[in-house]
Amino acid sequence: SAVISQKPSRDICQRGTSLTIQCQVDSQVTMMFWYRQQPGQSLTLIATANQGSEATYESGFVIDKFPISRPNLTFSTLTVSNMSPEDSSIYLCSVELPGTSGYEQYFGPGTRLTVT
Amino acid sequence: GNSVTQMEGPVTLSEEAFLTINCTYTATGYPSLFWYVQYPGEGLQLLLKATKADDKGSNKGFEATYRKETTSFHLEKGSVQVSDSAVYFCALSDNNAGNMLTFGGGTRLMVKP
Repeated sequence: SAVISQKPSRDICQRGTSLTIQCQVDSQVTMMFWYRQQPGQSLTLIATANQGSEATYESGFVIDKFPISRPNLTFSTLTVSNMSPEDSSIYLCSVELPGTSGYEQYFGPGTRLTVT
Repeated sequence: GNSVTQMEGPVTLSEEAFLTINCTYTATGYPSLFWYVQYPGEGLQLLLKATKADDKGSNKGFEATYRKETTSFHLEKGSVQVSDSAVYFCALSDNNAGNMLTFGGGTRLMVKP
């Protein structure tokens, strides 16, 4: 497994502002993922971030709204831009690591965002 | 596309009761299947997984068997404890799609003493 940390753990932001969430892993990983978990809902993949290439966004998510950086193999950031109350969610990063049979994803503790 | 369907919760059980949480999936190819657990106020933890048909994943007394013929991966535990109270997510990874996870809607389990 891996130790994954996220900053901040929670924040309350005003609409129209932006927040950058950091994800740090204690080992080098190729693939990192960003998910959103809206209140009482399941997880939805926002994008896949590989080091050295542009992030790949899922349907319904765009780079202008959720820019992602992946400067090295242990770190990534997700920015939530021009926030509205609908962006209030938990944002989670995950990393993919080889397991006993195939790959497994491990998740950070999440960043709880409230937009007022 | 891929999808995962779980039974809706909440599921409320008494301690030591038998637990089943149903999970069915739709996928192209041969996905890997996972159960994740989210305890109150915490992040997701991988509970168990299975990577091919008829594999049984197990951990902490929980089990799930990959049933290709019924496209199911039901989670079971013979005797639940209050500490098992959490939200359980079934998920699949289509190895042909960059290993991204597709999650079910989650099932909240509440175990009463």
